[in-house]
Amino acid sequence: AQKITQTQPGMFVQEKEAVTLDCTYDTSDQSYGLFWYKQPSSGEMIFLIYQGSYDEQNATEGRYSLNFQKARKSANLVISASQLGDSAMYFCAMRPSGNTPLVFGKGTRLSVIA
Amino acid sequence: ETGVTQTPRHLVMGMTNKKSLKCEQHLGHNAMYWYKQSAKKPLELMFVYNFKEQTENNSVPSRFSPECPNSSHLFLHLHTLQPEDSALYLCASSQDPGREREKLFFGSGTQLSVL
Repeated sequence: AQKITQTQPGMFVQEKEAVTLDCTYDTSDQSYGLFWYKQPSSGEMIFLIYQGSYDEQNATEGRYSLNFQKARKSANLVISASQLGDSAMYFCAMRPSGNTPLVFGKGTRLSVIA
Repeated sequence: ETGVTQTPRHLVMGMTNKKSLKCEQHLGHNAMYWYKQSAKKPLELMFVYNFKEQTENNSVPSRFSPECPNSSHLFLHLHTLQPEDSALYLCASSQDPGREREKLFFGSGTQLSVL
């Protein structure tokens, strides 16, 4: 069965500092995609970054980067230079190969402190 | 603004009521989804429609009835709900659900409270 584990229910970070949000996954598929979404208090889930299992480089999108360690089955999100607007829930998700839906983790609540 | 609009934003209903949630996407996508988000639980996929055809029903109770009249609109009809059905219901869309790197675009959700 496919499973996403986010072990940090809540995290605090000082403004302008970097923070790492953990994500581990379990799949027997060789080909899969990994996603991170942000959910502010407004409720909308916002796509942040994508990593393919065969991508050789770690994905980066602006202040977001994904620390992908395939052998350890981890896909941690790194947010650099945190801003107050980064305070939100963050969800890691995985899509195994084929026509299968996204599987989400329980999320991590990030609070950025001024 | 992601291009996916959900109404209403908030809904309070009694267990004997019938109500409907509406979702509309303006992105030209072919697939639409309903997810349920309960406190301290992962998002649960409920239904998937691809080109108006239901392709996934994740063992959802029959008191939830989806309807997809076209690729841009998705409804969730609710009747005789239970208090444990209180949750945030999120609608999403995507271009091609078969692609591994396909990302979903979500609406802001309907916060449902069942009394």
